[in-house]
Amino acid sequence: KNQVEQSPQSLIILEGKNCTLQCNYTVSPFSNLRWYKQDTGRGPVSLTIMTFSENTKSNGRYTATLDADTKQSSLHITASQLSDSASYICVVSACQAGTALIFGKGTTLSVSS
Amino acid sequence: IAGITQAPTSQILAAGRRMTLRCTQDMRHNAMYWYRQDLGLGLRLIHYSNTAGTTGKGEVPDGYSVSRANTDDFPLTLASAVPSQTSVYFCASSGQGGANVLTFGAGSRLTVL
Repeated sequence: KNQVEQSPQSLIILEGKNCTLQCNYTVSPFSNLRWYKQDTGRGPVSLTIMTFSENTKSNGRYTATLDADTKQSSLHITASQLSDSASYICVVSACQAGTALIFGKGTTLSVSS
Repeated sequence: IAGITQAPTSQILAAGRRMTLRCTQDMRHNAMYWYRQDLGLGLRLIHYSNTAGTTGKGEVPDGYSVSRANTDDFPLTLASAVPSQTSVYFCASSGQGGANVLTFGAGSRLTVL
């Protein structure tokens, strides 16, 4: 069964600190992996998208990594800011007809001052 | 500003009533989607449309219907609302192709009493 598991479920860090969010998947055949940020009361917004051949992709203070062999991805946030407080959702796309996006349940990050 | 507009932003509805959530995009995206987001369950696909005139069922389609008369509009209808349909509903769109990023609307919060 295609699944996406994220950890931790929630995380609290101090402003200025770094953190890493994890995403493990069992989706096959794999097409790409996306990380979204969802602020409270808003729709998700794309941070990064990586295909099979990409190991790392950055978007400002956000860096995503992908290990297609172990089927793991991580999202690293550097020098966290209060505005980073949000839910981060890992989404994996499978190669098949129609739409085949498998969503993780998200990690809720709280950055405190 | 290009994007997705959802209406209403929130609605309280009596069980058994009919309700249509509206979704309009101005990006000329071919594919459109409806998701519901519930605490602890993440985003789940209700219905999708790969192009105008076609629709398909997602993971949780029961109790919902959609139509895609043109490229821009993708309304979601609850024929007879039940309390279990209390949720936040997100409309999304993407260009054709598996690597295209989803653009989400701001969501519609529906409460069925």
